Amino acid sequence: NAGVTQTPKFRILKIGQSMTLQCTQDMNHNYMYWYRQDPGMGLKLIYYSVGAGITDKGEVPNGYNVSRSTTEDFPLRLELAAPSQTSVYFCASQRGGETQYFGPGTRLLVL
Amino acid sequence: GENVEQHPSTLSVQEGDSAVIKCTYSDSASNYFPWYKQELGKRPQLIIDIRSNVGEKKDQRIAVTLNKTAKHFSLHITETQPEDSAVYFCGGYTGANNLFFGTGTRLTVIP
Repeated sequence: NAGVTQTPKFRILKIGQSMTLQCTQDMNHNYMYWYRQDPGMGLKLIYYSVGAGITDKGEVPNGYNVSRSTTEDFPLRLELAAPSQTSVYFCASQRGGETQYFGPGTRLLVL
Repeated sequence: GENVEQHPSTLSVQEGDSAVIKCTYSDSASNYFPWYKQELGKRPQLIIDIRSNVGEKKDQRIAVTLNKTAKHFSLHITETQPEDSAVYFCGGYTGANNLFFGTGTRLTVIP
């Protein structure tokens, strides 16, 4: 099992550009999550999904969108990137009530 | 929703000494409490977890204790080593399957 994979590892965006952060898991987990982690800070939940076709907002959803068309994939879309979105983005997945497994992260710099 | 408070925010110990990190939670429905270790530039990784029907769990030098009445749980690391230096996050689950993270503790083990 590859576990949770994320692409790209690092990206620089200009203000106003858009991009999609990819997340894939091969553990057949129903639950998937997107977090952002600012330097020296904790993890903040952006969006989550309890299964294919179902998504919901977390603590900091503004400026982001998600979709969940399959169990495996949970892409995060940034529209009109802003400097405040400079962060490290982690995707995670879990089976219900169990441990969350994190991907390696995507470092995003918005200039 | 759940609120998890974590203390201290930073902790420095001499190699070989013990380290204790404490978290308190607000939702009495929380039933699963994982601890994650995050090394610099890496993803959070689970090091130990405990469920609400257990008071203590050990894994070699790491132990977690849970006091449901007081709604707090603690991570204990004995015989600390330099490689234990990292940021540690506690988490709490409610029945909604969302993991609420503490704000993190930066542990430094001084050789």
